[in-house]
Amino acid sequence: GENVEQHPSTLSVQEGDSAVIKCTYSDSASNYFPWYKQELGKGPQLIIDIRSNVGEKKDQRIAVTLNKTAKHFSLHITETQPEDSAVYFCAEDVRDSSYKLIFGSGTRLLVRP
Amino acid sequence: DAGVIQSPRHEVTEMGQEVTLRCKPISGHDYLFWYRQTMMRGLELLIYFNNNVPIDDSGMPEDRFSAKMPNASFSTLKIQPSEPRDSAVYFCASSPTNRGYNTEAFFGQGTRLTVV
Repeated sequence: GENVEQHPSTLSVQEGDSAVIKCTYSDSASNYFPWYKQELGKGPQLIIDIRSNVGEKKDQRIAVTLNKTAKHFSLHITETQPEDSAVYFCAEDVRDSSYKLIFGSGTRLLVRP
Repeated sequence: DAGVIQSPRHEVTEMGQEVTLRCKPISGHDYLFWYRQTMMRGLELLIYFNNNVPIDDSGMPEDRFSAKMPNASFSTLKIQPSEPRDSAVYFCASSPTNRGYNTEAFFGQGTRLTVV
């Protein structure tokens, strides 16, 4: 069945440093891997996504890498800023006969000024 | 568009009472999802609809939970009777389809439910 493991659960970095969050999925049929950012009191918001036919995608300070063989995907944030502090969720979607987005357990990122 | 609109933002109710959460998806989106968020279990998919039809309700915890989508612009999640363990933040999200490919899910602000 679908399952996404996310690590670490909390991450504290100094402003300007990089942050890396990793996820592992179990279903080899998964083909879509989005990352969501959730700020306090708000709903999750998509920040970047990657499809299974791509190994890496970058958007300014954030990047995502995907290793389909190992069933790993990671979020990389460079030059972190205090406004990056939030909870980040990875997710996977299995497009078989249904459309079901399954989320990881979340990582609370704190960027210390 | 104002985004996905949920109401109420906060709900406090007594155990045993009926609770109805409401959602207005983004116009033109044909997928609608209900999620529940708790510290212990994270973001759980409860049910989702495609073109107003329930497709997968395997995440609905018990018969006390029911969801409807009478038209493309409105959905409800009902809990009857409510219990303290139902306390959580409930999110509604909507998504368009794009030639069969997965696309972004847009979340509402959530409804924080407290059952005392």
